[in-house]
Amino acid sequence: QVQLQQSGPGLVKPSQTLSLTCAISGDSVSSNSAAWNWIRQSPSRGLEWLGKTYYGSNWHSDYAVSVKSRITIKADTSKNQFFLQLKSVTPEDTAVYYCAREDVDWSDLSHWGQGTLVTVSS
Amino acid sequence: DIQMTQSPSSQSASVGDRVTITCRASQTINRYLNWYQQAPGKAPRLLIKAASSLQSGVPSRFSGSGSGTDFTLTISSLQPEDFATYYCQQSYSTPHTFGQGTKLEIK
Repeated sequence: QVQLQQSGPGLVKPSQTLSLTCAISGDSVSSNSAAWNWIRQSPSRGLEWLGKTYYGSNWHSDYAVSVKSRITIKADTSKNQFFLQLKSVTPEDTAVYYCAREDVDWSDLSHWGQGTLVTVSS
Repeated sequence: DIQMTQSPSSQSASVGDRVTITCRASQTINRYLNWYQQAPGKAPRLLIKAASSLQSGVPSRFSGSGSGTDFTLTISSLQPEDFATYYCQQSYSTPHTFGQGTKLEIK
């Protein structure tokens, strides 16, 4: 049974870097049948896909254009987890952030983390 | 980006009602359409993938149909636990965009 456990700070100052980790149990971050996503949700933007990383002979990442210049999503195979870094945050980045497992057959998000409310404020 | 438009944005219904939610894509997405349910304060939960394939563990009162640009989610007989917000998502091309949501409320 796949489970995703998120961790990271709930408060980040403007201009700093938001960092969240998603620990995976019941699956491997290096699986060829999965991709590992970050999504955020806010009242103003709704559910917004941010990006993903996946392994297919080598590692790949794919990012939303809206955050592409500021975002990094990478896997840590030694700890079977993946993480999100979002640089130069502003109050508009305040949202609930979710990690999620994507099944590569239909790219559905079959498993989600519990969510982390991140507030950008000084 | 592919735009996903759901209707209605909200709906009042009673336990036992049959409810249909629609989702329209701004371009064809074949059957790459997924439906999620979100209870307040919880993460979304996958209900249906590939337009009509029921996820394991999801009650059979939920069903999905459609292909191309027009899709529907039907709940055949609403139960108290079904009052939540429902989202469609296209997974045809990145960014995998979501609809704005349909909130089901108790009448």
